Amino acid sequence: GENVEQHPSTLSVQEGDSAVIKCTYSDSASNYFPWYKQELGKRPQLIIDIRSNVGEKKDQRIAVTLNKTAKHFSLHITETQPEDSAVYFCAASGANAGKSTFGDGTTLTVKP
Amino acid sequence: DTEVTQTPKHLVMGMTNKKSLKCEQHMGHRAMYWYKQKAKKPPELMFVYSYEKLSINESVPSRFSPECPNSSLLNLHLHALQPEDSALYLCASSPVRGRLNTEAFFGQGTRLTVV
Repeated sequence: GENVEQHPSTLSVQEGDSAVIKCTYSDSASNYFPWYKQELGKRPQLIIDIRSNVGEKKDQRIAVTLNKTAKHFSLHITETQPEDSAVYFCAASGANAGKSTFGDGTTLTVKP
Repeated sequence: DTEVTQTPKHLVMGMTNKKSLKCEQHMGHRAMYWYKQKAKKPPELMFVYSYEKLSINESVPSRFSPECPNSSLLNLHLHALQPEDSALYLCASSPVRGRLNTEAFFGQGTRLTVV
């Protein structure tokens, strides 16, 4: 089955700095890579996603890059703000539609 | 309505009790999911329903019994649970687009405590 590794497990940055979270996956058939943000006590919410036919996608301060050859994808957050503090999960979905494998999560803390 | 609604928000049950978790969405999504999430861990897939039929069961113990009565509702029936089953139970839904995987919309979860 699919295996997703996520690093780092914790990340602390100063407000205004950039944050990068990386994930690797094992199944070359995976073709959809969403990123979810989960604030304390709240539900996971999709913040950005990318499909395997695209190398990069941006949405304001958030971007995701995908390297299919190396089987890794990364989340980039620029100009971080305290409200970006949360747990971020990457996920990979493949041939078995509906089944996503999540990374273990990254706790991001943005210090004002 | 762009939300997935779960009830109850909190549930405390004894090991001999029978209870049910409920999930509802009105986004027209035809895929619905149950996830279990322990503290400081990622959501762990339990069941997937596609067009009201169970398509994935991740080897979940039979004390958890899912049900999808119609395209908007998803239930999880609980019976004879163990304390280690205490967790946040998340329901999610997705649009179905052929074989393409799509984003999951999560409910706020039911915080279950088994005593």
